[in-house]
Order: sequence, then C-alpha cells, then structure tokens
Amino acid sequence: NAGVTQTPKFQVLKTGQSMTLQCAQDMNHEYMSWYRQDPGMGLRLIHYSVGAGITDQGEVPNGYNVSRSTTEDFPLRLLSAAPSQTSVYFCASSYLDPNTGELFFGEGSRLTVL
Amino acid sequence: GENVEQHPSTLSVQEGDSAVIKCTYSDSASNYFPWYKQELGKRPQLIIDIRSNVGEKKDQRIAVTLNKTAKHFSLHITETQPEDSAVYFCAASPSGGYNKLIFGAGTRLAVHP
Repeated sequence: NAGVTQTPKFQVLKTGQSMTLQCAQDMNHEYMSWYRQDPGMGLRLIHYSVGAGITDQGEVPNGYNVSRSTTEDFPLRLLSAAPSQTSVYFCASSYLDPNTGELFFGEGSRLTVL
Repeated sequence: GENVEQHPSTLSVQEGDSAVIKCTYSDSASNYFPWYKQELGKRPQLIIDIRSNVGEKKDQRIAVTLNKTAKHFSLHITETQPEDSAVYFCAASPSGGYNKLIFGAGTRLAVHP
C-alpha cells in the first residue's frame, strides 16, 4: 500500500504561473482534503471532497481550485501563483465512517513562489 | 465557523517530566477531537483522539481529557523522552463531521536529556 502520494515534493514558481499539485490514495477513502502549513499557523483547510464529483471550500480556498473525478485522485490547482501561496501543502484522506475517522496525510509538497 | 486555539506555542521540558498542551474550540457541535504529532520534516500522524461522549482517554504515556462544558481539551504526556520532541497539533471536527478537521496552530515540544 502506497497510502497517500503527493507530487511534486518540491516546486519553485514565478508569480503568475500556474501549476497542479497531484494527490492520489489507494485506500479507497471517500474523503480527501488539502491543507497548507505555514509557520505559527498550523494546518489550514483549503478544499475538501466527500466523494467523486463533490467538492467544497475549507478555511482558505481563495486562489485554489480542486476537482474530484475519481475516488483515488484529488488535484489542487493554482491558477495564478502569488508569493502568499508559498507554503507546504499536505493532502489527506480518510473513510467517511465516523468510527474510522483517522486522517492519513501525504508527505507534503513544498512550494515556493518568487 | 470553528476556531481552535492552542497553548503554549513552545514547551521545553526535561526528560522524565510531564508535558501538558491545552486547546479550546468554539463550535459547541464539534464532537471529535484528535491530536497529531509531526516530527521534523515528516507528515502529521494521529497519536490519540477522543469523542464527545468520553471525558478522558489514555494510551500508555499519553492521555487526553475533554471538558465539553468549557469547550476545552488537553493532551498530557508523562515520563517524557527525547523522541517525544515534535510539533503537536490539536484539532476539532465541526458540526458533527469527523473528517473536516480544523487544527490549532501547534505546540513545539522539546524534551532535553
């Protein structure tokens, strides 16, 4: 089992460029989410999905788009990168069953926007 | 929406001492409160959780307490060891959704030999 796989692990962008962070899980989890981690601010929820075709906004959705065409994949798109989006991004997934609610995280993707 | 505050932001203890990290939340409908540990350069991992129908839960050297009236929960680590050094995050799941976690800002724990 690979668990939650994120690519790329590192990326440097120039202001205004676009890119997609990929996230895939092989645990058949219904729930997937994206967080960003900044020093002193913890993990902030960007977008989440409770199943294929269903997405919703989290705490800090502005500047990011998501889609969920399959159960396995949940890409995060930056349409026009800004320096304020420099951060470490984590994808996380879990079952929807409340009795097995542990959130499994990927290894993270470090993004720098110049 | 839900807001989770965590204190202290840094905590330094001697090996063998106890460490306590406290969190408060704002949404009275929240009913699931996990704690995650993140070692340097690694992903966050669940170490213990508690649900709103339980007041206390223990797992070896770690324990979590919950006071729903005060909207307050705490992590207690006894007999700390150097490998406990990490950043610890508390979280709450607002409005009954177990998975949509809102995290606190984190506590950096340093255990000195």
